[in-house]
Amino acid sequence: AQRVTQPEKLLSVFKGAPVELKCNYSYSGSPELFWYVQYSRQRLQLLLRHISRESIKGFTADLNKGETSFHLKKPFAQEEDSAMYYCALYNNNDMRFGAGTRLTVKP
Amino acid sequence: DAGVTQSPTHLIKTRGQHVTLRCSPISGHKSVSWYQQVLGQGPQFIFQYYEKEERGRGNFPDRFSARQFPNYSSELNVNALLLGDSALYLCASSQGGVLHYEQYFGPGTRLTVT
Repeated sequence: AQRVTQPEKLLSVFKGAPVELKCNYSYSGSPELFWYVQYSRQRLQLLLRHISRESIKGFTADLNKGETSFHLKKPFAQEEDSAMYYCALYNNNDMRFGAGTRLTVKP
Repeated sequence: DAGVTQSPTHLIKTRGQHVTLRCSPISGHKSVSWYQQVLGQGPQFIFQYYEKEERGRGNFPDRFSARQFPNYSSELNVNALLLGDSALYLCASSQGGVLHYEQYFGPGTRLTVT
């Protein structure tokens, strides 16, 4: 069965430091992976998807099929990046979310 | 456009009762999906409807059902409520029929079952 694991419930970094939010998945086929973000008092929203190979708000994520990972990275964290981040996997009309990582960027 | 709207915002029900949650998609969006989010966990997929047809179903019991209306709004129904059904229920809409097409989420309905 497909599964998404985010090993860190909480992650705290200082402003300007690099940040990496981990996401591991279990799925035997070619997955489609996403990162969603929820800022305080806002709705859940799509941040980026692996097929687009885009950088959004300075964040990038690379799909590593060998390690079955899709870690989210940003070289210099900003205070406004503080939010809840969810990794999600899509397959065959089913979307699986991880439990989420709460990122806090300290001044 | 106010985005995806859901009603009610909160509600409290007793075990064994029935509940209906409502969702209005963004204008022009033909797909609506429903998710359950238990405290401390990520959203869990329940249903997707596109053009009034069920396109996908997650691993939920038959107590859960949904439908989509001609105006693309949707209802989620849960029968014989259990304490474990207490959660935030999220609705998301998208233009396309494929579930992963960019989804726009609503604010959710907080259901408490006592």
